[in-house]
Amino acid sequence: NAGVTQTPKFQVLKTGQSMTLQCAQDMNHEYMSWYRQDPGMGLRLIHYSVGAGITDQGEVPNGYNVSRSTTEDFPLRLLSAAPSQTSVYFCASSYSGHGEKLFFGSGTQLSVL
Amino acid sequence: QKEVEQDPGPLSVPEGAIVSLNCTYSNSAFQYFMWYRQYSRKGPELLMYTYSSGNKEDGRFTAQVDKSSKYISLFIRDSQPSDSATYLCAMSQILTGGGNKLTFGTGTQLKVEL
Repeated sequence: NAGVTQTPKFQVLKTGQSMTLQCAQDMNHEYMSWYRQDPGMGLRLIHYSVGAGITDQGEVPNGYNVSRSTTEDFPLRLLSAAPSQTSVYFCASSYSGHGEKLFFGSGTQLSVL
Repeated sequence: QKEVEQDPGPLSVPEGAIVSLNCTYSNSAFQYFMWYRQYSRKGPELLMYTYSSGNKEDGRFTAQVDKSSKYISLFIRDSQPSDSATYLCAMSQILTGGGNKLTFGTGTQLKVEL
């Protein structure tokens, strides 16, 4: 099994550009989520989904959009990149409906200049 | 004040040592307690998961939860160089609307030296 697959692994953007971070899982998990990880801040939840067609905001949703058209895919869109969005982004999924037993992808390191 | 506090380290120990990693928390609504291990440039992986107060053992790892003191610990026996990683504690509460709030500590960096 591939588990949780994130692409790309690295990305450099200019301020104001938009892009989509891709996330796919092959474990048939209903719950999927996006986190960002910053030094000294820990992992912070951006958006999550408890099933296809259902999404909700996490702790730091501003500047990001998500959609969930299939169980497998959960892309994260940056609408207009800002330097404050420089971070490492992790997608995670869970077989638990409550989303606490998370399987993480390997991350996307994003730099916004 | 953060809901979850974790000493960032770094913590350096010799091979074979017993390692103690700790987190304190302030939210008494947390019900589930987890430890994740994160190797450099990788995503976190779930190491231990507990629900109630007390100890849970899995091989060389023991997770301890003391809800009365709002304190959780992870003990690693016979530490190995392959245990060198950042260890994240995480805590979860079930919200009244049925959702879940998972809060992570900032992680403790551990290095086990030969």
